[in-house]
Amino acid sequence: DAGVTQSPTHLIKTRGQQVTLRCSPISGHKSVSWYQQVLGQGPQFIFQYYEKEERGRGNFPDRFSARQFPNYSSELNVNALLLGDSALYLCASSLGTGAVSSGANVLTFGAGSRLTVL
Amino acid sequence: GNSVTQMEGPVTLSEEAFLTINCTYTATGYPSLFWYVQYPGEGLQLLLKATKADDKGSNKGFEATYRKETTSFHLEKGSVQVSDSAVYFCALPGAGSYQLTFGKGTKLSVIP
Repeated sequence: DAGVTQSPTHLIKTRGQQVTLRCSPISGHKSVSWYQQVLGQGPQFIFQYYEKEERGRGNFPDRFSARQFPNYSSELNVNALLLGDSALYLCASSLGTGAVSSGANVLTFGAGSRLTVL
Repeated sequence: GNSVTQMEGPVTLSEEAFLTINCTYTATGYPSLFWYVQYPGEGLQLLLKATKADDKGSNKGFEATYRKETTSFHLEKGSVQVSDSAVYFCALPGAGSYQLTFGKGTKLSVIP
């Protein structure tokens, strides 16, 4: 079975531009989460979606938005790019509602989309 | 909110050496605890987890015990291999039920 797939794998943008990143979850997984990993740091939570509804949002500005489609794939959009948005953007999928507090829903991560903003 | 503090890296070990990567946490209650590993050029993979106090998670020769008395979840392996070279992240559920909070990561390099 295919794992979590993300596209594109690498991209370069300039300040002020907009970017859309895509994610396809593991078949059967209905929950998708997005994380930002700046070089040398741990991943930071951005969004979590379950059944097309936003279940959680991290401490990111409104320039960041996301959505989930009926087939459970997801897109992350970032507007008005800043240099500080340069990072690896990771998508993760999980079964069920995606709640991780009990440890029952394990997050499976994709390889990420590396965004460079010049 | 919940947080983790992880041992700073990088860590360089010779093959077959003993590994310990320290992780301490601050949390309300007793949340599940996780170790994730990131190999070069790849996404994160769950290495092991523990869902309650005194549980021991184990996988691929790695172990970690959930110690509520010391609020710790240290990662150990008795004999590391070159293939264990990666970045290791300690994590726990964050402010909401749907997010993980990660440590900054510890880069491990194992030399032959």
